[in-house]
Amino acid sequence: GQQLNQSPQSMFIQEGEDVSMNCTSSSIFNTWLWYKQDPGEGPVLLIALYKAGELTSNGRLTAQFGITRKDSFLNISASIPSDVGIYFCAGQRIQGAQKLVFGQGTRLTINP
Amino acid sequence: NAGVTQTPKFQVLKTGQSMTLQCAQDMNHEYMSWYRQDPGMGLRLIHYSVGAGITDQGEVPNGYNVSRSTTEDFPLRLLSAAPSQTSVYFCASSYLAGGVETQYFGPGTRLLVL
Repeated sequence: GQQLNQSPQSMFIQEGEDVSMNCTSSSIFNTWLWYKQDPGEGPVLLIALYKAGELTSNGRLTAQFGITRKDSFLNISASIPSDVGIYFCAGQRIQGAQKLVFGQGTRLTINP
Repeated sequence: NAGVTQTPKFQVLKTGQSMTLQCAQDMNHEYMSWYRQDPGMGLRLIHYSVGAGITDQGEVPNGYNVSRSTTEDFPLRLLSAAPSQTSVYFCASSYLAGGVETQYFGPGTRLLVL
């Protein structure tokens, strides 16, 4: 099945640093979603992007839908300890659960 | 609302045993899905349902069965467990708004098949 290429796979940063991660695909998506998964929990939706070129913020998080519709990135500014977790991108081509494709995840570790 | 609930949280099976992973949601969502999460693979869709009485296969359906007799419940059945089915299983429910589907995930079931 199709996968999204998400990078980096892991990040080790100091508290207060900014974080950037991205997802790329060979296919076009109509929607890009970013999720965060805390240890022992299910993924939680952070940001949803609906249009090419769209830039959306949610607090210290900013995500963009690439103009080509084949990529997206997520930035976290001024990281704090509770940002630790695994971040997943997901692409959706048309409505319907069968079209949600996930990236492999980026594991974020923060040193206080 | 409790959201999406899954039981059990942990399960150990022997090869060949059968079991059912339960999933329930109280948000009246039409769509429900089952995913498995393996290291380095992200989440992969097993089966999904767009409404009561309707189910379809996802990316990795082999070895799993589902049914959707009610809007609230979407159980996943392993008829004969295999070590390759060792994984973390997530159930999700979702709704459509403005043509876009928003998914809510349960806390997961961790399954070990020996």
